[in-house]
Amino acid sequence: ELKVEQNPLFLSMQEGKNYTIYCNYSTTSDRLYWYRQDPGKSLESLFVLLSNGAVKQEGRLMASLDTKARLSTLHITAAVHDLSATYFCAVDPSQPSIQGAQKLVFGQGTRLTINP
Amino acid sequence: DVKVTQSSRYLVKRTGEKVFLECVQDMDHENMFWYRQDPGLGLRLIYFSYDVKMKEKGDIPEGYSVSREKKERFSLILESASTNQTSMYLCASSSLEDRGFLWVYEQYFGPGTRLTVT
Repeated sequence: ELKVEQNPLFLSMQEGKNYTIYCNYSTTSDRLYWYRQDPGKSLESLFVLLSNGAVKQEGRLMASLDTKARLSTLHITAAVHDLSATYFCAVDPSQPSIQGAQKLVFGQGTRLTINP
Repeated sequence: DVKVTQSSRYLVKRTGEKVFLECVQDMDHENMFWYRQDPGLGLRLIYFSYDVKMKEKGDIPEGYSVSREKKERFSLILESASTNQTSMYLCASSSLEDRGFLWVYEQYFGPGTRLTVT
């Protein structure tokens, strides 16, 4: 059974600081997704990472994937208050050619609070 | 843009009532999903469907059923609501997307329904 674990689960930081959220998963996969969720809102897609060594960047967020270590990181650079949200990683362990096999397994989420 | 809509944002029901949660997507996606979200537990998959009239159990199907009579609509049914089904329910849809060198199923989420069972 695939398990996806994020850490930390809660993170409070000051504006201007850097920090990293970690996502570990237990079985082989080369597809990993990061989502953002604002309070009371639904999930919004941030990044899709599709191969070992993949790196994606959007503004102050950068995500990377190491499939050999079964680890993805979400790095926040010079945090600003607007980045306060809950961040989820999700892993797709299936093969796209198999109909009906696709589903994602989500981590617990990391609630990020950035203080002015 | 993909749009996934859910019939209610907030719902309050009594124990033992039959509850219907509706989800509609407008992008002709084959796959649709129902999750529940609880603090500290992330998202847990209840049921999913990869075609009309097809359904598969997820990780926590007990106490729920689903219906998919049309491609764009996926309903979650609580046959007899209980207090432990108080939760946020999220619907999502996906389809196979070509990202150049790899095919992916990116999921697009609806706004969620916060269900309270009293």
